[in-house]
Amino acid sequence: GESVGLHLPTLSVQEGDNSIINCAYSNSASDYFIWYKQESGKGPQFIIDIRSNMDKRQGQRVTVLLNKTVKHLSLQIAATQPGDSAVYFCAENLGPLTFGKGTHLIIQP
Amino acid sequence: GAGVSQSPSNKVTEKGKDVELRCDPISGHTALYWYRQSLGQGLEFLIYFQGNSAPDKSGLPSDRFSAERTGGSVSTLTIQRTQQEDSAVYLCASSLVSWEDTDTQYFGPGTRLTVL
Repeated sequence: GESVGLHLPTLSVQEGDNSIINCAYSNSASDYFIWYKQESGKGPQFIIDIRSNMDKRQGQRVTVLLNKTVKHLSLQIAATQPGDSAVYFCAENLGPLTFGKGTHLIIQP
Repeated sequence: GAGVSQSPSNKVTEKGKDVELRCDPISGHTALYWYRQSLGQGLEFLIYFQGNSAPDKSGLPSDRFSAERTGGSVSTLTIQRTQQEDSAVYLCASSLVSWEDTDTQYFGPGTRLTVL
């Protein structure tokens, strides 16, 4: 079965608000995680990654948090914009990427 | 520079026919991966090529699926005697080095395969 999954299939937020997308994993040996964004009709686009020796990593408007104790990671998007509307996947790199089913982020005007 | 490209972007075929899907990885990337994405689902690993090593075929769902990588660059995924359950988006990705180095994989736009 899947070792990586996301909590919610759909997340609706107001434009300008912060978004938090969650992901749980079950393989305690996992040491590298990636967040991808997939817009309709396109392939997944790399957003940010984090290794298990870190608990936080920041990019432009995005932050990934890793809690190894409860095997949970989250993607935070600051000041959500219409262009952020997409499906977000966390992926675990134990060789081939193992993806969850994704969370569809919907931006309300 | 150019990203990963795939062709065709869409393919409609009849059940029982063979199809070939093509992937051009990013120039200089030694690792190439094929994934399958069914409607509303995450990505499912199919096969992995690294340099001149034998490919990892552990994700191929049946012996109707095969893939080649010629000259360490372009790859072709072949599905023989297609079935309706093969309908999906087939995604190719490449990375600079192998997955053992946990290198970032960059994806192409995919080929949407529809088997009637």
